[in-house]
Amino acid sequence: DIVMTQSPDSLAVSLGERATINCKSSQTVFHTFNNKDNLAWYQQKAGQPPRLLIYWATIRESGVPDRFSGSGSGTDFTLTISSLQAEDVAVYFCQQSYSIPLTFGQGTKLEI
Amino acid sequence: QITLKQSGPTLVKPTQTLTVTCTFTGFSLTTPGVGVGWIRQPPGKALEWLALIYGDGNKRYRLSLESRLTITKDTSKNQVDLTMTDMGPVDTATYYCAITSGLPPIWGQGTLVTVSS
Repeated sequence: DIVMTQSPDSLAVSLGERATINCKSSQTVFHTFNNKDNLAWYQQKAGQPPRLLIYWATIRESGVPDRFSGSGSGTDFTLTISSLQAEDVAVYFCQQSYSIPLTFGQGTKLEI
Repeated sequence: QITLKQSGPTLVKPTQTLTVTCTFTGFSLTTPGVGVGWIRQPPGKALEWLALIYGDGNKRYRLSLESRLTITKDTSKNQVDLTMTDMGPVDTATYYCAITSGLPPIWGQGTLVTVSS
């Protein structure tokens, strides 16, 4: 199984400041089948389902504010929130869809 | 626009069989590279992938639960069903369906299933 490890486990950032969350996979998630890194980022607020933010490592989902961006390739990935807003308080997690079983990071709790 | 919506019972008794249905719009599950799967999240715990089915009909299951799981699709109804047998209290969780390959990995809103007598 591919192990997804996020850092940090929790993060406190001031409003308007940058937040950076890292995700490392135990093996590459770059698939030559689709020539993409099969890595997604989600936001989950309390009592709500996960919301897709970024897929294929760098593609922002429609409707997601442009302060959210994804970067990285191979085994190391980053989610950046360029200017933290109050509504960004949530748990963020990464997920790989390169191989079965699909696996998830443990989550990063983002607070103000 | 792609949407997925789960439906099914909110309460099942121990040893019963659970069937949850995912009804989707905005894409077709006939394309070989496209997959739809199920993921669950027990209250306060981590996400756990359960099963997926591809447009070409191939199926994959979580090894530890494979004997209890069956995933099927009805392309005419744009639905994917997950059946889990012999439910127990540890299976209490929110069950999500999601696109797992070939398209943006969008999730449904989830359905909370409680196992209790």
